Amino acid sequence: AQSVAQPEDQVNVAEGNPLTVKCTYSVSGNPYLFWYVQYPNRGLQFLLKYITGDNLVKGSYGFEAEFNKSQTSFHLKKPSALVSDSALYFCAVTWAGGSYIPTFGRGTSLIVHP
Amino acid sequence: GAVVSQHPSRVICKSGTSVKIECRSLDFQATTMFWYRQFPKQSLMLMATSNEGSKATYEQGVEKDKFLINHASLTLSTLTVTSAHPEDSSFYICSANSAPGLAGPGELFFGEGSRLTVL
Repeated sequence: AQSVAQPEDQVNVAEGNPLTVKCTYSVSGNPYLFWYVQYPNRGLQFLLKYITGDNLVKGSYGFEAEFNKSQTSFHLKKPSALVSDSALYFCAVTWAGGSYIPTFGRGTSLIVHP
Repeated sequence: GAVVSQHPSRVICKSGTSVKIECRSLDFQATTMFWYRQFPKQSLMLMATSNEGSKATYEQGVEKDKFLINHASLTLSTLTVTSAHPEDSSFYICSANSAPGLAGPGELFFGEGSRLTVL
């Protein structure tokens, strides 16, 4: 079984400030973790993934995420937010030995204020 | 990255008619395609998984006779909403993955989505 939780419906941050979008997961084995971004009326775009290796994963548009096995978390971060980062962010998980079909979180709306 | 094309992006139809949405992988062969439905400000709901040349696997609660999925080739899957009603109005998104090598497990390439409005 696999599940993922995004505890925040919305995150507000001022432009230039660091941002964090939270994600926790639950899987039966070693997790594969993903972040996607969705702009209004668009499909999802892949940001980054953790499969194995370094816990800090760097992705597109300056985003990064840290895999924390003990806390079962995979929070998305960016050192300095841009207004153009405002979008809906989805965390997803699957796991080695699973069906490889990812389960998505409910999404977090990121709003970056000028 | 790999490109998935979805068409049409928007469609408005009358209640009782059928609507077909196409999903194409443009530069890779998609052994598996997924169809999602997304309600406003909500997450993606997986409707079905389709594999080329075989019947789609529908998630619990999804009416297979209403949402017909055909994966006729390695680059094309279609979703037909039959006898559409206003409650079928939604944003439908397809995604695809190839055999291992193009993308790791679970990494999907998404179409741009199709906004269906049933009057």
